[in-house]
This record gives sequence, C-alpha cells and structure tokens, in this order.
Amino acid sequence: DAMVIQNPRYQVTQFGKPVTLSCSQTLNHNVMYWYQQKSSQAPKLLFHYYDKDFNNEADTPDNFQSRRPNTSFCFLDIRSPGLGDAAMYLCATSLYSGEEQYFGPGTRLTVT
Amino acid sequence: GESVGLHLPTLSVQEGDNSIINCAYSNSASDYFIWYKQESGKGPQFIIDIRSNMDKRQGQRVTVLLNKTVKHLSLQIAATQPGDSAVYFCAGDGNDMRFGAGTRLTVKP
Repeated sequence: DAMVIQNPRYQVTQFGKPVTLSCSQTLNHNVMYWYQQKSSQAPKLLFHYYDKDFNNEADTPDNFQSRRPNTSFCFLDIRSPGLGDAAMYLCATSLYSGEEQYFGPGTRLTVT
Repeated sequence: GESVGLHLPTLSVQEGDNSIINCAYSNSASDYFIWYKQESGKGPQFIIDIRSNMDKRQGQRVTVLLNKTVKHLSLQIAATQPGDSAVYFCAGDGNDMRFGAGTRLTVKP
C-alpha cells in the first residue's frame, strides 16, 4: 500500500545534540510537509517542499532545517535541540499544494 | 492570512447519539476545507472534505456543513461510536492547509 513512513517512531536525544528525523513516501506526491505537534495542540507547520522548492514558515526557528534529496525522502534536522523542542513531529504529503494531506504516524521526540 | 479555529476544545457524547463539531474560519477566499481525525499516538487522518461551491457533503455516518455567510463549518457524526473518540481538526486552504485548534471528542458507553 502507498504510504508515508516515519523513522524512528520514538527518538530520544540530549539537550544540544543534533538529531535527524526521516520521512519517506511511496505516493509519488509533489509536496512534503513537516509539522510539530505538542500535547493537546494542533499540528504546527514548520516548512514544506514543493518538489525541490523549499518553503519555510516565517516563525520556524533557525534551529530547524530540512532536506529533500529526492521525491521520496525528506529529513528534519534539529541542530541544537532544546527542552521546548520535545514534541511529536509529523510528516505529510500531498499531490499538490492546498489539497488533502496524507500523514505519517509521527516521531515522538524526547529531549533529556 | 488563514485562521481556522474551533468553538469548543472538548465534547463528550453518549454512544449512539449524534455529535456536532464546529469550526470557524476567517479567510473569506478559502475554497476548500478538510476535516481530519487524529487518534492518540497517530497522525491525522482524512475524514471528509468540502469545496466552497457546496454547502453540504455527506459520507458514511459523517456530514460536513459549510456556511459561507458566517464562515463556519461543522462536522456531524451520526450514531457516534467509541471508535470515534479522537481529536478532530478542521483545516482550510490558503497557501497550504492550516489546522484549527482541535476538538477532543469522547464517547461514553
């Protein structure tokens, strides 16, 4: 089945230690998104790629970076995680912008 | 910019009753809306969508109503079941879909 896969499902990192979360898709969608979701809150869009074009949200901290080496994969890099970055990180895809998004199961990040 | 928000953060209903979850939006140019369901520990999942040229759309046990005059949409779930317990988000288009705050639906047996 076509799907959005996130690895790992759970990630523990130390304060200040760089961490990378990965997302892959078999849907061949043009757009890939990264969201941060904290407890009892809505997903907050960090950035997205339309093909190779990177679109950063204005309020996304510089600490968060992303890479999309090909259509299938997209990475979220947190350069120096702080305690406030502990959250669920959701990857999603859509065929075109402004359309239904297909979400992965998320990676829960813990910062110690 | 797009602002999509919900009226109530929590909703508790009896199993078998109908549920109504509301959502308001601010961008009158919004053309497309989606309701997502998010179960604990999972990513959001598409439930139903509606475009601005419609005021009602029905799915299996779910109906979305759109009132463009007051910029409001609602999700109705018929005969609510325990498996419907989740957080429900509305999302509207703009540059990209933006999520409202979410309503937690709890179904009491």
